[in-house]
Amino acid sequence: KAGVTQTPRYLIKTRGQQVTLSCSPISGHRSVSWYQQTPGQGLQFLFEYFSETQRNKGNFPGRFSGRQFSNSRSEMNVSTLELGDSALYLCASSLGIHNEQFFGPGTRLTVL
Amino acid sequence: DQQVKQNSPSLSVQEGRISILNCDYTNSMFDYFLWYKKYPAEGPTFLISISSIKDKNEDGRFTVFLNKSAKHLSLHIVPSQPGDSAVYFCAAKQGGSEKLVFGKGTKLTVNP
Repeated sequence: KAGVTQTPRYLIKTRGQQVTLSCSPISGHRSVSWYQQTPGQGLQFLFEYFSETQRNKGNFPGRFSGRQFSNSRSEMNVSTLELGDSALYLCASSLGIHNEQFFGPGTRLTVL
Repeated sequence: DQQVKQNSPSLSVQEGRISILNCDYTNSMFDYFLWYKKYPAEGPTFLISISSIKDKNEDGRFTVFLNKSAKHLSLHIVPSQPGDSAVYFCAAKQGGSEKLVFGKGTKLTVNP
């Protein structure tokens, strides 16, 4: 069974631009969550989607948004990029509550 | 406010010996705990989990112990192998939510 895939793997943007990251969950998984990893803050939860609905949101500004499609694939968007948005963005999928989350390889975003 | 804490940033053990990684939490509402292993530039890999209704879960060389009264869990790896060298993250979540709260990680080095 294929794992969680994320595209692109690497991205370089400049301040003020916007970016869209994509995640394809494991087949059959309907829950998709996004996390940001930085050296200073560690792994932090961004948001979670289940059946195209956002069920939970972390403490990030409104510039961070996401959505989920009917096939469970998910995208996250960051608008008006700031230098501090440079991070590894990780997507995870699961069958649902009290099931393990499986992570993709991440998208490394660098903002110049 | 860090709800999940891994107080040891690093740990070094000899091959064949036991590795014990520790994790403390403050939120008594957490009812599901997970351990992940992570290599640089990759997504976390799920290792083992435990529900708050149990105090021990074992999977091969990995055992997780949960002490709810102390709000403490630990991961035991026996015997340790050089391939176990990685950063280990403890994570927790509470019922009805897929939001994982992560510790800052412990870098394990297993010396041959």
